[in-house]
Amino acid sequence: AQSVTQLGSHVSVSEGALVLLRCNYSSSVPPYLFWYVQYPNQGLQLLLKYTTGATLVKGINGFEAEFKKSETSFHLTKPSAHMSDAAEYFCAVTLLWGNTPLVFGKGTRLSVIA
Amino acid sequence: DVKVTQSSRYLVKRTGEKVFLECVQDMDHENMFWYRQDPGLGLRLIYFSYDVKMKEKGDIPEGYSVSREKKERFSLILESASTNQTSMYLCASSYRGRLDTEAFFGQGTRLTVV
Repeated sequence: AQSVTQLGSHVSVSEGALVLLRCNYSSSVPPYLFWYVQYPNQGLQLLLKYTTGATLVKGINGFEAEFKKSETSFHLTKPSAHMSDAAEYFCAVTLLWGNTPLVFGKGTRLSVIA
Repeated sequence: DVKVTQSSRYLVKRTGEKVFLECVQDMDHENMFWYRQDPGLGLRLIYFSYDVKMKEKGDIPEGYSVSREKKERFSLILESASTNQTSMYLCASSYRGRLDTEAFFGQGTRLTVV
């Protein structure tokens, strides 16, 4: 069965600093990988996704993530944090060829300090 | 834009009450899901459905049931609400059979059982 581990339940960065949110997955078959963002009292919004093809994926709001099969990782980065990036971020995985529901990590809360 | 609408943003119910959480999507998605979100635990799948009148148990189905009588509507039922079901409930939908599909989420229902 697939699973997702997000390292760090809370990450704090200064405004303008690099954002790095870590995600490692476990899957016996090629995965599809997703990052979602959740602002307070809101649902989840898709940031970006990896399906096939280019391993560096660009998403909304300047975020990007790189799929590294050898490391079973899909870390999320943004070169320069903005106050508006403060939110909770979830990494998720599903199987390449199944109608399986998304399996989510436990989430990382990002705080941005002025 | 895909819209997934949950009938209530906030609900307060009494222990032992039967509670209905409604979810409607407008994109003709075959798949619909109910997740529960708790701090430190991320999103956990309660039930999902691949088609009308079909349902599958997720990771934490105990104390819940679901109904899918129409393609666009997926209801979560708490047969006898208990305080440990106080949580944020998120509904999602997605296309079936599209390998690159992501799930689209509603705004969430924050349920408090007193």
